[in-house]
Amino acid sequence: GENVEQHPSTLSVQEGDSAVIKCTYSDSASNYFPWYKQELGKRPQLIIDIRSNVGEKKDQRIAVTLNKTAKHFSLHITETQPEDSAVYFCAASKRSGGSNYKLTFGKGTLLTVNP
Amino acid sequence: DGGITQSPKYLFRKEGQNVTLSCEQNLNHDAMYWYRQDPGQGLRLIYYSQIVNDFQKGDIAEGYSVSREKKESFPLTVTSAQKNPTAFYLCASRFQASPDGYTFGSGTRLTVV
Repeated sequence: GENVEQHPSTLSVQEGDSAVIKCTYSDSASNYFPWYKQELGKRPQLIIDIRSNVGEKKDQRIAVTLNKTAKHFSLHITETQPEDSAVYFCAASKRSGGSNYKLTFGKGTLLTVNP
Repeated sequence: DGGITQSPKYLFRKEGQNVTLSCEQNLNHDAMYWYRQDPGQGLRLIYYSQIVNDFQKGDIAEGYSVSREKKESFPLTVTSAQKNPTAFYLCASRFQASPDGYTFGSGTRLTVV
């Protein structure tokens, strides 16, 4: 099955700096890569996603890049703010029989933005 | 709660007891999922269901059971066979034909006392 590795497990940055979180996946058939933000005790919220036919996607301060050849994708947050502090999860998904899609998650990165 | 409701928010279970976690959605989503979250472990898939009256085991199904008698509902039972049930449980749903559009519930924190 799919295996998703996420690094680093913790990341501390100063307000205004950039943060980068990296993930690798094992199954070359995976074709959808979302990123979720989870605040303490809350549900994960989708912040950005990318499909395998695209190399980069940007939404304001957040961007995701995908390298299909190397099977890795990254989340970039620029001009970080204290409210960006949370756990971030990457995930990978592929079709598995008919319309069956399953998300496999990385173990998460705890991002702390220091004022 | 964004169309998907989990209850209760907190649940305490004595050892040896079965407990059932509720997940209800009014989004008309076809597929529903149960994930378990432990610190430093990410989200691990327990069970999922693509259509009514059908469900499949995920990566860590041992000690859990589910049913899907209605499209809107996907309850999870944590049985006494689950040796370490203390965790945060998240339910999710999405339209079947698309890989994206996952909606998560707000979670149930289960503690064994």
